[in-house]
Amino acid sequence: QVQLVQSGAEVKKPGASVKVSCKASGYTFTGYYMHWVRQAPGQGLEWMGRINPNSGGTNYAQKFQGRVTMTRDTSISTAYMELSRLRSDDTAVYYCARDQSYGGSLSFDYWGQGTLVTVSS
Amino acid sequence: QSALTQPASVSGSPGQSITISCTGTSSDVGSYNLVSWYQQHPGKAPKLMIYEVSKRPSGVSNRFSGSKSGNTASLTISGLQAEDEADYYCCSYAGSSTFEGVFGGGTKLTVL
Repeated sequence: QVQLVQSGAEVKKPGASVKVSCKASGYTFTGYYMHWVRQAPGQGLEWMGRINPNSGGTNYAQKFQGRVTMTRDTSISTAYMELSRLRSDDTAVYYCARDQSYGGSLSFDYWGQGTLVTVSS
Repeated sequence: QSALTQPASVSGSPGQSITISCTGTSSDVGSYNLVSWYQQHPGKAPKLMIYEVSKRPSGVSNRFSGSKSGNTASLTISGLQAEDEADYYCCSYAGSSTFEGVFGGGTKLTVL
């Protein structure tokens, strides 16, 4: 069965960076785009960007351009999301989510369990 | 890219039908049939309910349906059940020169 297992909670200071991992299993990792979505406490969902695990190609939301980097390691079927220059308003649960459509249609059929990133001095 | 507009809350009684709207612009919802809907219960990851405007994933009840008219997409839930109480989010493709996605602000559904 398809599973996305994310790394554990992180506490970071303002200005630091955080790298969240998402290990995929139960399907061909390189066959589906992986997206990252975050949710601040009590707030809605926010699309951050996506990576093509086959080519490594990425698309980022304009809001995060210059601060976010998405990478992958196909040898261990794992996607990564690194966010730099953290601010207090980056405190959120970060999700990885698989796009069920080969071409990428923003239809996320499997989600990781979420990783809470807390930014606090 | 601005978030899509959803009502903050809707409510209905068991057995009734409700509709949640998701209003965008001609640059996102109005131009692409790439609208999806997600259900999220407290403390849980979202669940895909509708994709490509009106398609229902395997395993999702046929009480859930989606549609679109102009710049507004809609999610309709018929025969409301207690377990439908959750937050609902729409999502649309919003790219022009590059791929970009945008979510709605979310709607809290209360089953009375």
